[in-house]
Amino acid sequence: DTAVSQTPKYLVTQMGNDKSIKCEQNLGHDTMYWYKQDSKKFLKIMFSYNNKELIINETVPNRFSPKSPDKAHLNLHINSLELGDSAVYFCASSLRGGRGGYTFGSGTRLTVV
Amino acid sequence: DQQVKQNSPSLSVQEGRISILNCDYTNSMFDYFLWYKKYPAEGPTFLISISSIKDKNEDGRFTVFLNKSAKHLSLHIVPSQPGDSAVYFCAAPAIIQGAQKLVFGQGTRLTINP
Repeated sequence: DTAVSQTPKYLVTQMGNDKSIKCEQNLGHDTMYWYKQDSKKFLKIMFSYNNKELIINETVPNRFSPKSPDKAHLNLHINSLELGDSAVYFCASSLRGGRGGYTFGSGTRLTVV
Repeated sequence: DQQVKQNSPSLSVQEGRISILNCDYTNSMFDYFLWYKKYPAEGPTFLISISSIKDKNEDGRFTVFLNKSAKHLSLHIVPSQPGDSAVYFCAAPAIIQGAQKLVFGQGTRLTINP
Protein backbone atom coordinates (compact mmCIF):
# COMPACT_ATOMS: atom_id res chain seq x y z
CA ASP A 1 0.00 0.00 0.00
CA THR A 2 2.89 2.32 -0.82
CA ALA A 3 1.63 5.89 -1.29
CA VAL A 4 4.19 7.09 -3.86
CA SER A 5 6.22 4.38 -5.53
CA GLN A 6 9.00 4.85 -8.00
CA THR A 7 10.98 2.30 -9.96
CA PRO A 8 13.72 1.38 -10.24
CA LYS A 9 15.34 2.17 -6.90
CA TYR A 10 18.83 1.97 -8.38
CA LEU A 11 19.89 2.53 -11.96
CA VAL A 12 23.44 2.24 -13.29
CA THR A 13 23.95 3.00 -16.96
CA GLN A 14 26.51 4.17 -19.44
CA MET A 15 26.85 7.65 -20.89
CA GLY A 16 24.76 8.20 -23.95
CA ASN A 17 22.04 5.72 -23.00
CA ASP A 18 18.34 6.55 -22.67
CA LYS A 19 16.54 5.55 -19.48
CA SER A 20 13.17 6.00 -17.80
CA ILE A 21 12.06 6.25 -14.18
CA LYS A 22 8.44 5.51 -13.34
CA CYS A 23 6.34 7.00 -10.58
CA GLU A 24 2.85 6.18 -9.37
CA GLN A 25 0.79 7.55 -6.48
CA ASN A 26 -2.37 6.07 -4.97
CA LEU A 27 -3.25 9.02 -2.74
CA GLY A 28 -5.74 10.63 -5.09
CA HIS A 29 -3.48 13.67 -5.41
CA ASP A 30 -3.79 15.76 -8.54
CA THR A 31 -0.30 17.26 -8.63
CA MET A 32 2.96 15.38 -9.10
CA TYR A 33 6.58 16.50 -9.08
CA TRP A 34 10.09 15.41 -9.92
CA TYR A 35 12.90 16.60 -7.67
CA LYS A 36 16.62 16.06 -8.07
CA GLN A 37 19.00 15.74 -5.14
CA ASP A 38 22.47 16.51 -6.39
CA SER A 39 25.87 15.74 -4.92
CA LYS A 40 25.59 18.77 -2.63
CA LYS A 41 22.36 17.31 -1.25
CA PHE A 42 20.13 20.15 -2.46
CA LEU A 43 16.59 19.07 -3.35
CA LYS A 44 15.61 21.00 -6.46
CA ILE A 45 12.39 20.84 -8.37
CA MET A 46 12.55 19.80 -12.01
CA PHE A 47 8.93 19.47 -13.11
CA SER A 48 5.43 19.72 -11.79
CA TYR A 49 2.26 18.34 -13.37
CA ASN A 50 -1.32 19.02 -12.38
CA ASN A 51 -3.97 16.69 -13.81
CA LYS A 52 -1.58 15.59 -16.57
CA GLU A 53 -0.71 19.18 -17.48
CA LEU A 54 2.83 20.53 -17.16
CA ILE A 55 2.78 23.55 -14.84
CA ILE A 56 6.44 23.93 -13.84
CA ASN A 57 9.48 23.27 -15.99
CA GLU A 58 12.46 24.48 -14.03
CA THR A 59 15.34 25.10 -16.46
CA VAL A 60 15.97 21.46 -17.10
CA PRO A 61 17.81 20.29 -20.27
CA ASN A 62 15.41 19.08 -22.91
CA ARG A 63 17.07 15.66 -22.67
CA PHE A 64 14.70 15.26 -19.71
CA SER A 65 11.12 14.64 -20.80
CA PRO A 66 8.39 13.98 -18.24
CA LYS A 67 5.24 12.20 -19.27
CA SER A 68 1.99 11.99 -17.34
CA PRO A 69 -0.44 9.49 -18.86
CA ASP A 70 -2.92 10.16 -16.05
CA LYS A 71 -2.92 12.08 -12.81
CA ALA A 72 -1.67 9.07 -10.84
CA HIS A 73 1.47 8.61 -12.93
CA LEU A 74 4.42 10.80 -13.78
CA ASN A 75 7.33 9.19 -15.57
CA LEU A 76 10.71 10.72 -16.34
CA HIS A 77 12.57 9.84 -19.51
CA ILE A 78 16.17 10.92 -19.94
CA ASN A 79 17.93 10.84 -23.30
CA SER A 80 21.66 10.78 -23.97
CA LEU A 81 22.63 10.43 -20.32
CA GLU A 82 25.63 12.41 -19.09
CA LEU A 83 27.90 11.95 -16.09
CA GLY A 84 26.37 15.06 -14.49
CA ASP A 85 22.95 13.43 -14.48
CA SER A 86 24.10 11.15 -11.66
CA ALA A 87 21.91 12.02 -8.68
CA VAL A 88 18.97 10.79 -6.66
CA TYR A 89 15.64 11.58 -8.29
CA PHE A 90 12.54 11.86 -6.11
CA CYS A 91 8.96 11.77 -7.25
CA ALA A 92 6.37 13.49 -5.06
CA SER A 93 2.68 14.25 -5.08
CA SER A 94 0.30 16.65 -3.37
CA LEU A 95 -3.15 18.12 -3.58
CA ARG A 96 -3.22 21.20 -5.78
CA GLY A 97 -1.60 24.07 -3.93
CA GLY A 98 0.45 21.64 -1.86
CA ARG A 99 -0.87 23.01 1.42
CA GLY A 100 -0.99 19.59 3.02
CA GLY A 101 2.63 19.02 2.15
CA TYR A 102 4.18 16.72 -0.37
CA THR A 103 4.43 12.94 -0.15
CA PHE A 104 7.70 11.68 -1.57
CA GLY A 105 8.70 8.40 -3.10
CA SER A 106 11.80 6.62 -1.82
CA GLY A 107 13.99 7.91 -4.64
CA THR A 108 15.88 6.48 -7.61
CA ARG A 109 19.66 6.62 -7.41
CA LEU A 110 20.93 7.10 -10.95
CA THR A 111 24.60 6.51 -11.62
CA VAL A 112 25.99 7.29 -15.06
CA VAL A 113 29.36 5.70 -15.80
CA ASP B 1 19.33 31.80 -5.55
CA GLN B 2 18.84 29.76 -2.42
CA GLN B 3 15.73 31.09 -0.70
CA VAL B 4 15.93 28.65 2.20
CA LYS B 5 19.23 27.93 3.90
CA GLN B 6 20.39 25.53 6.55
CA ASN B 7 23.90 26.52 7.46
CA SER B 8 24.73 23.58 9.71
CA PRO B 9 25.37 20.43 7.67
CA SER B 10 25.49 18.27 10.77
CA LEU B 11 24.60 18.21 14.45
CA SER B 12 25.40 15.67 17.14
CA VAL B 13 23.31 15.51 20.32
CA GLN B 14 23.22 13.17 23.29
CA GLU B 15 20.13 11.05 23.78
CA GLY B 16 17.64 12.74 26.08
CA ARG B 17 18.93 16.25 25.41
CA ILE B 18 17.39 18.91 23.21
CA SER B 19 18.17 19.06 19.48
CA ILE B 20 17.85 22.45 17.80
CA LEU B 21 17.93 22.67 14.03
CA ASN B 22 18.03 26.07 12.37
CA CYS B 23 16.82 27.45 9.08
CA ASP B 24 17.01 30.92 7.51
CA TYR B 25 15.02 32.26 4.60
CA THR B 26 15.12 35.29 2.35
CA ASN B 27 11.60 35.58 0.95
CA SER B 28 9.30 37.43 3.35
CA MET B 29 6.29 36.36 1.25
CA PHE B 30 6.44 32.73 2.34
CA ASP B 31 3.15 32.02 4.11
CA TYR B 32 4.07 28.74 5.74
CA PHE B 33 7.07 26.56 6.41
CA LEU B 34 7.57 22.83 6.72
CA TRP B 35 10.12 20.46 8.17
CA TYR B 36 10.83 17.12 6.54
CA LYS B 37 12.78 14.19 7.92
CA LYS B 38 14.76 11.83 5.72
CA TYR B 39 16.27 8.45 6.52
CA PRO B 40 18.91 6.90 4.22
CA ALA B 41 17.51 5.31 1.06
CA GLU B 42 14.06 6.76 1.76
CA GLY B 43 12.23 9.82 0.59
CA PRO B 44 11.66 12.86 2.82
CA THR B 45 8.61 12.56 5.08
CA PHE B 46 6.61 15.46 6.42
CA LEU B 47 7.24 16.20 10.09
CA ILE B 48 5.68 19.50 11.15
CA SER B 49 4.66 22.83 9.67
CA ILE B 50 4.00 26.37 10.82
CA SER B 51 1.93 29.17 9.35
CA SER B 52 3.57 32.56 8.98
CA ILE B 53 0.90 34.07 11.22
CA LYS B 54 2.11 31.98 14.15
CA ASP B 55 5.36 31.99 16.04
CA LYS B 56 5.17 28.49 17.48
CA ASN B 57 3.69 25.11 16.63
CA GLU B 58 4.06 22.07 18.81
CA ASP B 59 3.46 18.40 18.07
CA GLY B 60 4.59 16.02 20.77
CA ARG B 61 8.36 16.17 21.10
CA PHE B 62 8.66 18.49 18.11
CA THR B 63 8.24 22.26 18.25
CA VAL B 64 8.88 24.73 15.48
CA PHE B 65 9.53 28.38 16.24
CA LEU B 66 9.25 31.16 13.71
CA ASN B 67 10.93 34.57 14.03
CA LYS B 68 9.69 36.58 11.07
CA SER B 69 11.69 39.70 11.84
CA ALA B 70 14.86 37.64 11.69
CA LYS B 71 13.56 35.41 8.87
CA HIS B 72 14.55 32.44 10.93
CA LEU B 73 12.89 29.25 12.05
CA SER B 74 14.05 26.46 14.24
CA LEU B 75 12.97 22.92 15.04
CA HIS B 76 13.32 21.74 18.61
CA ILE B 77 13.25 18.04 19.47
CA VAL B 78 13.05 17.18 23.13
CA PRO B 79 13.92 14.72 24.43
CA SER B 80 16.03 13.50 21.53
CA GLN B 81 15.86 9.78 20.78
CA PRO B 82 18.11 7.52 18.68
CA GLY B 83 15.33 7.17 16.08
CA ASP B 84 15.54 10.89 15.48
CA SER B 85 18.89 10.40 13.74
CA ALA B 86 18.17 11.50 10.18
CA VAL B 87 18.59 14.40 7.78
CA TYR B 88 16.16 17.27 8.41
CA PHE B 89 15.11 19.66 5.66
CA CYS B 90 13.23 22.89 6.09
CA ALA B 91 11.05 23.96 3.18
CA ALA B 92 8.78 26.76 2.08
CA PRO B 93 6.36 27.24 -0.84
CA ALA B 94 7.56 29.53 -3.62
CA ILE B 95 5.51 30.60 -6.59
CA ILE B 96 7.13 30.01 -9.95
CA GLN B 97 5.55 30.12 -13.38
CA GLY B 98 2.28 30.79 -11.59
CA ALA B 99 2.41 27.55 -9.67
CA GLN B 100 3.59 26.57 -6.23
CA LYS B 101 6.71 24.56 -5.58
CA LEU B 102 8.45 23.68 -2.35
CA VAL B 103 11.97 25.02 -2.03
CA PHE B 104 14.23 23.15 0.36
CA GLY B 105 17.24 23.94 2.44
CA GLN B 106 20.27 21.74 2.01
CA GLY B 107 19.52 19.68 5.07
CA THR B 108 21.09 19.08 8.48
CA ARG B 109 22.22 15.59 9.46
CA LEU B 110 21.23 14.98 13.07
CA THR B 111 22.97 12.21 14.98
CA ILE B 112 21.66 11.21 18.40
CA ASN B 113 24.32 9.53 20.50
CA PRO B 114 23.32 7.00 23.19
